[in-house]
Amino acid sequence: DQQVKQNSPSLSVQEGRISILNCDYTNSMFDYFLWYKKYPAEGPTFLISISSIKDKNEDGRFTVFLNKSAKHLSLHIVPSQPGDSAVYFCAAKEGFQKLVFGTGTRLLVSP
Amino acid sequence: GAGVSQSPSNKVTEKGKDVELRCDPISGHTALYWYRQSLGQGLEFLIYFQGNSAPDKSGLPSDRFSAERTGGSVSTLTIQRTQQEDSAVYLCASSPSGRGWETQYFGPGTRLLVL
Repeated sequence: DQQVKQNSPSLSVQEGRISILNCDYTNSMFDYFLWYKKYPAEGPTFLISISSIKDKNEDGRFTVFLNKSAKHLSLHIVPSQPGDSAVYFCAAKEGFQKLVFGTGTRLLVSP
Repeated sequence: GAGVSQSPSNKVTEKGKDVELRCDPISGHTALYWYRQSLGQGLEFLIYFQGNSAPDKSGLPSDRFSAERTGGSVSTLTIQRTQQEDSAVYLCASSPSGRGWETQYFGPGTRLLVL
């Protein structure tokens, strides 16, 4: 039972354009959501998070949007840069519980 | 400051052998997590330690897997009688307290290959 889903395994975007990565979840008790970025041969690196009391959180070029009614969140990267090319994982948790990860979306930003 | 460290970075073993993977969390972090990522898959939760509480072992795939956390710091994940399907990247993470609105910080992982 996949509680966190990233339905797009890959995304290609041109440098300077917007990248939008999507994530859906099924557990309405999740109250905290995170995005991690992973380069090959490295561990995931925390990127940005949002709590369930907000619908938007912004940090520089990265913005996460949360739509609780649709159980959907998205990560926007504007403008996209070649160094953003990585695998992006969406994750969610409920209170003290463990993080539940999606299967990841591989982003490729071409010059 | 120092991040989460894991050792070894790579491990090749023969089917049937036991392996031990080590994780050093960020100093002062009371919560420690183990995950694994198999080829083409997302991160799969294995086990979670929070302070002196009993660990959450709900993600361990079989009784061949076990983990310890000594003195509330270093953790060791042990896989007994390894199988080829155990081949994966094993990732450790820590967080300050394990509470909900908190980031987990990951180590670089141990790549395990079972021949």
